[in-house]
Amino acid sequence: GAVVSQHPSWVICKSGTSVKIECRSLDFQATTMFWYRQFPKQSLMLMATSNEGSKATYEQGVEKDKFLINHASLTLSTLTVTSAHPEDSSFYICSASGLRAEAFFGQGTRLTVV
Amino acid sequence: GQSLEQPSEVTAVEGAIVQINCTYQTSGFYGLSWYQQHDGGAPTFLSYNALDGLEETGRFSSFLSRSDSYGYLLLQELQMKDSASYFCAVSARNGAGSYQLTFGKGTKLSVIP
Repeated sequence: GAVVSQHPSWVICKSGTSVKIECRSLDFQATTMFWYRQFPKQSLMLMATSNEGSKATYEQGVEKDKFLINHASLTLSTLTVTSAHPEDSSFYICSASGLRAEAFFGQGTRLTVV
Repeated sequence: GQSLEQPSEVTAVEGAIVQINCTYQTSGFYGLSWYQQHDGGAPTFLSYNALDGLEETGRFSSFLSRSDSYGYLLLQELQMKDSASYFCAVSARNGAGSYQLTFGKGTKLSVIP
């Protein structure tokens, strides 16, 4: 299966600061990548679709100015959580679609805002 | 929009067989996939069905009936390490023409000795 690498795997930051999470497709070119958020004991909720070379498409209720997505190349998408607050603490996961529309996930980033 | 239903919890005995069902409602259906997630980890891909029938991958099999909007994941010869959450997800084309997944709420499988 395809390999997707996400970094960092965990981060602790102070309230009000920004955090950047990177998602790389290592062995294929991903024109589209997806960003999810998962709260404890809940399912994955799609935040946005990251499209290479164009603006991301955000799901309803997700603040585009708070969660900045950049997909500058076919192998890298970044999610920046700006002015983070404790309620932003969550597990953030990126994925890329395989040839058959299955998803391959990065390792996830556990963000804790203190 | 899309919606999926799967049981919230299942308990089974080591060595046994367990079936996790998933029903869905969606427009633009393309396929049904299954993912395993251990506590604290990211989901990993298990199986994918685009056509009706059974797909077998080792101890795991997945079934799809498009006419019934129904699928299941079958785990055989259960091992303790299979204790995890299992998510079904439907793939559909979004407005931009790429595939988008919608996940069920997950089934927590507990394997007991």
